[in-house]
Amino acid sequence: GAVVSQHPSRVICKSGTSVKIECRSLDFQATTMFWYRQFPKQSLMLMATSNEGSKATYEQGVEKDKFLINHASLTLSTLTVTSAHPEDSSFYICSARVLGAGFNYGYTFGSGTRLTVV
Amino acid sequence: AQKITQTQPGMFVQEKEAVTLDCTYDTSDQSYGLFWYKQPSSGEMIFLIYQGSYDEQNATEGRYSLNFQKARKSANLVISASQLGDSAMYFCAMREGIDDKIIFGKGTRLHILP
Repeated sequence: GAVVSQHPSRVICKSGTSVKIECRSLDFQATTMFWYRQFPKQSLMLMATSNEGSKATYEQGVEKDKFLINHASLTLSTLTVTSAHPEDSSFYICSARVLGAGFNYGYTFGSGTRLTVV
Repeated sequence: AQKITQTQPGMFVQEKEAVTLDCTYDTSDQSYGLFWYKQPSSGEMIFLIYQGSYDEQNATEGRYSLNFQKARKSANLVISASQLGDSAMYFCAMREGIDDKIIFGKGTRLHILP
């Protein structure tokens, strides 16, 4: 089945630094990637939708200059948290739309990145 | 306004019993889809079941079935013969929009008791 590899799984960074999270589709072309954030004991909140080769579409309230999304190729999408602060500490997870698959198996999720900003 | 509503923050169920997790949704789209995902403590998202808005029969996947009542906009998940390994967070979700993005409800934490 379609697999998305997400790295790193855990990262601790100092306040003010930037962190890049990668999601790579291993055996399919991910034309659309969704990025979510999940705070402890809460739901997954959609941050943005990225389509390969075009600018990401951000959900209301998500700062596009803080959360930079790059989807330059069909197999790689990245989320960079710029100038991270402790309130950015969260679980970030990507999800790729698998074209050609029915909707039931048409989405595959990365394993998530737990970001801690100290 | 919430588009996916899960009213049960937590549930405790005896092992081997059936359990129903509630989900209601709100959309004006004619074509949409509903999902249930399981999220164990590891954080991974495990797909359980999918129901398309035009599907006439309720979806089933092994021990999971989706009780789809379109007029009431509800899509409850039924787990038959619950097992200890079913203890996890369960999210109801809906596919919507031209990008087919998925939005999630707040989730229900299910505890299976031995």
